[in-house]
Amino acid sequence: KAGVTQTPRYLIKTRGQQVTLSCSPISGHRSVSWYQQTPGQGLQFLFEYFSETQRNKGNFPGRFSGRQFSNSRSEMNVSTLELGDSALYLCASSLWGGPLDTQYFGPGTRLTVL
Amino acid sequence: AQSVAQPEDQVNVAEGNPLTVKCTYSVSGNPYLFWYVQYPNRGLQFLLKYITGDNLVKGSYGFEAEFNKSQTSFHLKKPSALVSDSALYFCAVRPHTGGFKTIFGAGTRLFVKA
Repeated sequence: KAGVTQTPRYLIKTRGQQVTLSCSPISGHRSVSWYQQTPGQGLQFLFEYFSETQRNKGNFPGRFSGRQFSNSRSEMNVSTLELGDSALYLCASSLWGGPLDTQYFGPGTRLTVL
Repeated sequence: AQSVAQPEDQVNVAEGNPLTVKCTYSVSGNPYLFWYVQYPNRGLQFLLKYITGDNLVKGSYGFEAEFNKSQTSFHLKKPSALVSDSALYFCAVRPHTGGFKTIFGAGTRLFVKA
């Protein structure tokens, strides 16, 4: 079974631009979560989607948004990029997203904001 | 507040020696606990999880973890470390309630010296 895939793997943007990151979950997984990883803040939860609905959101500004499609693929969008948005963005999928589920992570998208 | 603590930023161990990476948690109710490993420029890989039952959980690559409810700890262990075990290790908790998100510790970098 193919793992979680994320595209692109690397992105370089400038302040003020917007960016869209994509995540394809493991086949059959319906829950997709997004995390931001930085050296200073560690892994921080962004949001979780299940059946095209956002079920939970972390403490990030409204510039961070996401969506999920009917095939469970998910995208996240960051508008008006700031230098502090430079990070590794990780996507994780699981069957149902419940507390017992194991999450499987993609390789991440490394975003650099100049 | 629900949280996970990894008290050591770094653990150094000689190849062939046993290793322990510490984790303590603070959640309401019974926790679901996970360990993940991250290699450079990669996403997180699932190692093992504790749901209920035996306090000693066995996982991938010879790792195991011991759940201790009275000490609210979930330490990761391996009887004999390998140089290839050198990586960043994350302890995580998924509370029974709180909406489909995972709370990660700050991570512990493990160095195994040949």
